[in-house]
Amino acid sequence: AQSVAQPEDQVNVAEGNPLTVKCTYSVSGNPYLFWYVQYPNRGLQFLLKYITGDNLVKGSYGFEAEFNKSQTSFHLKKPSALVSDSALYFCAVRDNYGGSQGNLIFGKGTKLSVKP
Amino acid sequence: DGGITQSPKYLFRKEGQNVTLSCEQNLNHDAMYWYRQDPGQGLRLIYYSQIVNDFQKGDIAEGYSVSREKKESFPLTVTSAQKNPTAFYLCASSSSSGVGNTIYFGEGSWLTVV
Repeated sequence: AQSVAQPEDQVNVAEGNPLTVKCTYSVSGNPYLFWYVQYPNRGLQFLLKYITGDNLVKGSYGFEAEFNKSQTSFHLKKPSALVSDSALYFCAVRDNYGGSQGNLIFGKGTKLSVKP
Repeated sequence: DGGITQSPKYLFRKEGQNVTLSCEQNLNHDAMYWYRQDPGQGLRLIYYSQIVNDFQKGDIAEGYSVSREKKESFPLTVTSAQKNPTAFYLCASSSSSGVGNTIYFGEGSWLTVV
């Protein structure tokens, strides 16, 4: 079965410091990986995705993610965190094998808190 | 502006009552999805539709129903058979169900049982 794990429920970072939000995956076949951000009481906003090609993917708002096939990871990163980055972050993998093909399978989310 | 519109933002349901959440998109997307979000559990798929007049059950379809009579509309009905409907509901769409395509989300609807 395909799955995504976000091992940290919460990440705390000081403003201006680099941030990393971790994600590992388990898939059959090629992985199609996504990161979304959710602000309180809002829908999910797409940040970036890995389909194929360069292992370092750049996305919206200065975020990037590194795909590592050997470690089955897709960690989200940003060189310098902002207080406004505080939100809930979801990693997801596209179901390319199961009955609901095309659906997103989500991790449980990581709450990022950036302090001034 | 192009996007996905969900309404209402807040809805209250009495015990034994059916309620319908609206989802409309003007992105010309073929595929549409309904997810349920509960705290600490991420998002779970309720129903999805890859094309007009066709839809499939997701992981937690019991107590829910949908229709897809128009490309731009995918309403979700929460029936009285859904025993714990209080949650945040998210509608989403993508150009197709192809695995490389991005799924975009609406702003969500809160449903509370009173």
